[in-house]
Parts: sequence; structure tokens; C-alpha cells
Amino acid sequence: GENVEQHPSTLSVQEGDSAVIKCTYSDSASNYFPWYKQELGKRPQLIIDIRSNVGEKKDQRIAVTLNKTAKHFSLHITETQPEDSAVYFCAATSRGSGAGSYQLTFGKGTKLSVIP
Amino acid sequence: SQTIHQWPATLVQPVGSPLSLECTVEGTSNPNLYWYRQAAGRGLQLLFYSVGIGQISSEVPQNLSASRPQDRQFILSSKKLLLSDSGFYLCAWSPLRGQRSQQYQETQYFGPGTRLLVL
Repeated sequence: GENVEQHPSTLSVQEGDSAVIKCTYSDSASNYFPWYKQELGKRPQLIIDIRSNVGEKKDQRIAVTLNKTAKHFSLHITETQPEDSAVYFCAATSRGSGAGSYQLTFGKGTKLSVIP
Repeated sequence: SQTIHQWPATLVQPVGSPLSLECTVEGTSNPNLYWYRQAAGRGLQLLFYSVGIGQISSEVPQNLSASRPQDRQFILSSKKLLLSDSGFYLCAWSPLRGQRSQQYQETQYFGPGTRLLVL
């Protein structure tokens, strides 16, 4: 099955600096890679995703890059703000056992702290 | 638009007691449904997923079970809770293949969660 490794587990940056979180995956058939942000005590929220036919995607201060050959993808947050502080999870698609079923295999998360 | 509900929001149960957590989705049909557990400060562990009524796949063998009695209802149960069952239980849904373009079928949207404390 799919295995997703996420680094670092914790990350502290000064407000205004950039933050980068990296993930690697094992299944070359995976073709969908979402990133979720989870604030303390709340549900994970999808913040950006990327398909395997695209190398990079941007949404304001957030960008995701994908290297299919190396099987790794990264989240980039520029001009970080205190409200960016949260746990971030990467994930990769894997095929379920039932027809039409897909699962997401999650990384273990990165706790990002933005210091004012 | 689609909405996902979970209840109860919080629950404190003694060891050995039964459990029933409910998840319902509105505004869509034939969704894939998922149950995850998140221990304090940890990642997301997939427990069960379902592609249709009565179709349940288990990812982790344990004292929990799941059922899908209706298209948009997913229930997580236990006959006897263990201390290790404490955690944050999240239900999620995703569009079923063929319902939307393949581009979006794997996106999962999470419910607000149920925080369970077993004492």
C-alpha cells in the first residue's frame, strides 16, 4: 500500500518568513495530493491540492510543487502570519479494495509555529 | 452545497460501555464515507470506509465496527470501549467516481469531529 513520509514534524519561523514542508510517497500510481490545515481542536481543512499532471499550483501565499519522478511534493507558505500556525498534513491517493473506492494516506503532520 | 454533520460533539464514557457515533451528509448522493481516529497530538488513522449502503471496508482490526444503513449515514460503534479508544473521531466524505469528473473524486471533506474520552 501507499506510504507517505512528512518532514519536518515541527517547524518554527518568524513572521514574514517562508515555510516549506516536504512529503514523499511510495506508490507511483498515486495521482492526487491534497494538503490539509488543522487548527487546534478543529477539523482538517483542505487548503490546496495538486494532480499528477501538474508540476506546481499556487493560491495566493500558498503553493504546492510535485516531482513525480522523485515521488515527492512540497507545501510552500510565503509571508507567514501568526494565523498560519497550525498542523499541516499532506496526503496521497491510494486505491481501495472496492470498485470506485479511493483512500487518502496521510503523513504524520507538521506543527507550524509562526512567531510574531 | 454539501454539509457533513457529526454527533455528539463530545462524549465521556466509562471503560466497557458501548459506543455509537453518527455521521450524516447533506447535499450529495452516493458519497464515499470514511471514519478516522486522531489520538491527541497525532496523525489521522483510517478506521473504515464505505462506497455504498451496507458496504464497509475495515482498515484496522480492533473492537470498533461501522455500518451504513442509509446512503448518507455512517455509524461507528463499539460494544465495549477500551481506554485506548479515546481520541478525536472524524468522519469524511468524498464524491463517488462517476458522480463528478475524475479530477475531484478523491477530495475528502471532514466533519466537525467527536471528541471521545474513555475513563
